[in-house]
Order: sequence, then structure tokens, then C-alpha cells
Amino acid sequence: QKEVEQNSGPLSVPEGAIASLNCTYSDRGSQSFFWYRQYSGKSPELIMSIYSNGDKEDGRFTAQLNKASQYVSLLIRDSQPSDSATYLCAVKRDRAAGNKLTFGGGTRVLVKP
Amino acid sequence: NAGVTQTPKFQVLKTGQSMTLQCAQDMNHNSMYWYRQDPGMGLRLIYYSASEGTTDKGEVPNGYNVSRLNKREFSLRLESAAPSQTSVYFCASSEGGSQETQYFGPGTRLLVL
Repeated sequence: QKEVEQNSGPLSVPEGAIASLNCTYSDRGSQSFFWYRQYSGKSPELIMSIYSNGDKEDGRFTAQLNKASQYVSLLIRDSQPSDSATYLCAVKRDRAAGNKLTFGGGTRVLVKP
Repeated sequence: NAGVTQTPKFQVLKTGQSMTLQCAQDMNHNSMYWYRQDPGMGLRLIYYSASEGTTDKGEVPNGYNVSRLNKREFSLRLESAAPSQTSVYFCASSEGGSQETQYFGPGTRLLVL
């Protein structure tokens, strides 16, 4: 079992719809959770971080964390063609593990006009 | 302020050749990381340096060595390149401690024939 799992996609959504991405992780000691966006041929960039159970909203993005079920999700509202990218889920374990992140394989999102 | 820079952008090597990938950051970050990215595999940590003068192995360290030359620079060396090391290599940095956002360089595409 991979430590961090994501559906590879592609997730195809019409413009203006909500894109819903899921990520599950295996280590119950995980403390911090991140979503990175990566355009084709480019480097990852952080779009959201979440540390406690519940929802965190930032513009059109909402991250949701459920530590009991060991999943974190990302919602993209009013999806735009510019949101077409691969979204990487990353998980940080406890302080003893340092600042190392473990990444999932990424979900490719295609927003169709 | 260039952020994280990497050289070279692209390199072709023959099996058995050696090379060093260079990374530098100008954000006064304490921690630096080297990842490789293969299709469908997400980012996998090769080595990291939590602070100047320290280095530690990540998930896939075999075949690589690193040097934290100073606070700004962190290099990755392939002593005897193998086709399995064909990948895209990303360097990243973070402030360390409680600041967990990692900032990525543009990447180096390496092809080993």
C-alpha cells in the first residue's frame, strides 16, 4: 500500500463545475497536509495547506481533512480551463520525521470549455 | 529574487557517466531537498538537508550523493549514471521548523542512455 494515494485521473470537468479530488494516507501520525498544483512541464506550487479536521477555504479552493478516516480532499469551485493541471497531495508526518513530505502520484484534472 | 534555481535544465548522459546537479536558493532557507519525479509516481525524496552541515537519506537514495555546500547551495551527484535514473529532478527549499511550505526549482530533465 502506498503511503499517499490519489486517483491518477484524468478527472474531466466542464467549465464552471466543481472538481473534487481525493487523497488517502496510511500513516495515522500524519500532522500536516498540502495540495500542490503542477502544470505540464513546470514545477509544483503550493495552493493549500491544512492541519486540523474540517474545511479550509481559500478563494475557489476548499481543502477538507478527516483524520479519523485518513483522507484529505480538494474542491475547486467554478473550474476554469486554467485549472487544468496535475494536483499533488502531500503529507507530513510528525515532528520526529522532520520536514519531509510524502507525495501521492497526483490527479490530472482537465477542465473543458 | 530568483527563488530556487537549478542547473542544468536538461542533460543527456551515457550509462556510467557521472554528473552533478546544482541547486541554489536565495530565500535564506534552512532546509533543502532533492526529489525525482517519474510518470505516475509523484515526487520521491532522494536526500534532504534540514540545516547547513547536515544531510539525510530520503526514500530513494541509492545511486546518489549530496553535498550541502553552504546555506544557499545543495548539489546532487550521480557517480555512475544508469538508465533507471532517467527522470525529472526537482530541488526545493523551506524555512524549516514550523514553516513547512516547500518552494520548488524549475527542474532538471535527465536522460541516461
